[in-house]
Amino acid sequence: AQSVAQPEDQVNVAEGNPLTVKCTYSVSGNPYLFWYVQYPNRGLQFLLKYITGDNLVKGSYGFEAEFNKSQTSFHLKKPSALVSDSALYFCAVRDMSSGNTGKLIFGQGTTLQVKP
Amino acid sequence: ETGVTQSPTHLIKTRGQQVTLRCSSQSGHNTVSWYQQALGQGPQFIFQYYREEENGRGNFPPRFSGLQFPNYSSELNVNALELDDSALYLCASSSAGVMVDTQYFGPGTRLTVL
Repeated sequence: AQSVAQPEDQVNVAEGNPLTVKCTYSVSGNPYLFWYVQYPNRGLQFLLKYITGDNLVKGSYGFEAEFNKSQTSFHLKKPSALVSDSALYFCAVRDMSSGNTGKLIFGQGTTLQVKP
Repeated sequence: ETGVTQSPTHLIKTRGQQVTLRCSSQSGHNTVSWYQQALGQGPQFIFQYYREEENGRGNFPPRFSGLQFPNYSSELNVNALELDDSALYLCASSSAGVMVDTQYFGPGTRLTVL
């Protein structure tokens, strides 16, 4: 079965420091991976995706993610955190076993807390 | 902000009732997916609609049903509401035919079942 794991419920980082939010995946075949962010009482906002090509993917708001096939990971990173980055972050993988439905499988989410 | 809109924003129902949630897709998108997000959980795929037909379904019972209209907007209907149906319901629009299309989410409808 295809799955996504976010091993940390919460990540705390000081403003200005680099941040990493971890994600590992388990899929059959090529993985198509996504990161979304959710602010309180809001829907999910798309940050970036990996389909193929360069292992370092750049996205919105200065975020980037590094795809590592050997470690089956897709960690989200940002060189310098802002207080406004505090939110709930979800990693997701496209479920290719379900045909062409576009079904996304989400992790449990990681709360990022950036302190001034 | 995406161009995906959902209505209503909040809804309170009692157990056994029926509810209809609505979603308007982003301009240029022809596919709508629905997800249920329980408190403290990641979103769970309910189903997807493409060309007015259901195009894949997650592990949800038949009392969850949907429609897609010619303008690509969509409805999610839930019959015989149960307490566990209390959740944030998210719709996402995308363009079928685009290589691994990105799904853009609306703000969600918060359903509370008493």
